[in-house]
Amino acid sequence: NAGVTQTPKFRVLKTGQSMTLLCAQDMNHEYMYWYRQDPGMGLRLIHYSVGEGTTAKGEVPDGYNVSRLKKQNFLLGLESAAPSQTSVYFCASTRGQSSYNEQFFGPGTRLTVL
Amino acid sequence: GQSLEQPSEVTAVEGAIVQINCTYQTSGFYGLSWYQQHDGGAPTFLSYNALDGLEETGRFSSFLSRSDSYGYLLLQELQMKDSASYFCAVSLTGYSTLTFGKGTMLLVSP
Repeated sequence: NAGVTQTPKFRVLKTGQSMTLLCAQDMNHEYMYWYRQDPGMGLRLIHYSVGEGTTAKGEVPDGYNVSRLKKQNFLLGLESAAPSQTSVYFCASTRGQSSYNEQFFGPGTRLTVL
Repeated sequence: GQSLEQPSEVTAVEGAIVQINCTYQTSGFYGLSWYQQHDGGAPTFLSYNALDGLEETGRFSSFLSRSDSYGYLLLQELQMKDSASYFCAVSLTGYSTLTFGKGTMLLVSP
């Protein structure tokens, strides 16, 4: 099992460019999450999904969109990148409602917006 | 809203015991989780408390007092590899998400 994988690992964007971050999990998990981590800020939830075809906003959703067309994939989109979106992005997944406290994280995507 | 407070940094020596505290202010508290993160890598789950008391997993233990809105992570027989950031996270009744604290960096010296 690969667990949770994220693509790409690193990316540099110019202000205004768009990109999509891909998260994939092979554990048949129902719930998936996107976080961003900034120095001294801990992990902040951007969007999450409790099942295929469903998404919901987290704490800091502005400037991001997500899609969960397949159970194993959760995509995070930046339509028009801003320097404030420079961060490390982590994807996580968990089996479901009975175990959402135990989340499995991917290795992260390090994004720099110039 | 919710708020979690944990120390920004804790230092200890190999073989010692260290306690990382976490206090929280939330409505609808359900449980407290702990995660470990090495050098900006993937966070990994350590423990979860929904009831008052101590949960032990090897060298790590986690404690919760719901009446005091307080919990801690206890690391025994510290090893150099325990140098990492530790995050507490709260879950709320009726939700499927976690809210993380800002993390405590633990530095273990020889």
